[in-house]
Amino acid sequence: GAVVSQHPSWVICKSGTSVKIECRSLDFQATTMFWYRQFPKQSLMLMATSNEGSKATYEQGVEKDKFLINHASLTLSTLTVTSAHPEDSSFYICSARDLGSGDSYEQYFGPGTRLTVT
Amino acid sequence: GQNIDQPTEMTATEGAIVQINCTYQTSGFNGLFWYQQHAGEAPTFLSYNVLDGLEEKGRFSSFLSRSKGYSYLLLKELQMKDSASYLCAVMDSNYQLIWGAGTKLIIKP
Repeated sequence: GAVVSQHPSWVICKSGTSVKIECRSLDFQATTMFWYRQFPKQSLMLMATSNEGSKATYEQGVEKDKFLINHASLTLSTLTVTSAHPEDSSFYICSARDLGSGDSYEQYFGPGTRLTVT
Repeated sequence: GQNIDQPTEMTATEGAIVQINCTYQTSGFNGLFWYQQHAGEAPTFLSYNVLDGLEEKGRFSSFLSRSKGYSYLLLKELQMKDSASYLCAVMDSNYQLIWGAGTKLIIKP
């Protein structure tokens, strides 16, 4: 159980275009989803926390108008990278917190989306 | 500020035992997680400690000392597939995960 999917797994886009990444919890409900970015040989960097039915909370330094997050249901959150630039090329990973995980607050990670902006 | 420290890289031999340490300073504590991440893949959950002591799960064990702000991940009977990065993360008082930079573990035959 506790599977999180992401789509697409990789995408190449041209500079100036927008890309949407989907994150789904397949067999559990997730009130909270997290979006991370990871550059090569670096640790995960939290970009934003997404709560179902409300606006996302962005980390300092992350442009909310550039990285649009929508958490429309308990099983789906989307991240849209608008007007992408080559420096946005990275590995984007989502995670979801299981409502029924008790006190552990464990986060289940999706497989990640590798974005390359040319 | 909040800080998680773990070694950047470690090397061990197949079949041996390795201990990866993690020290932390955070605003509040609601548990410590260890994740394994293979290159190009997302992290996978290994362990969760919220009380002091040792948690054993097969070949992997995780230890926590809250008074010392210290944890370690112990990997026994190392296999080549254990070559990966191991991430230590602490959940702070806001239930937000604070991540370490990860320890790259290299297993040699």
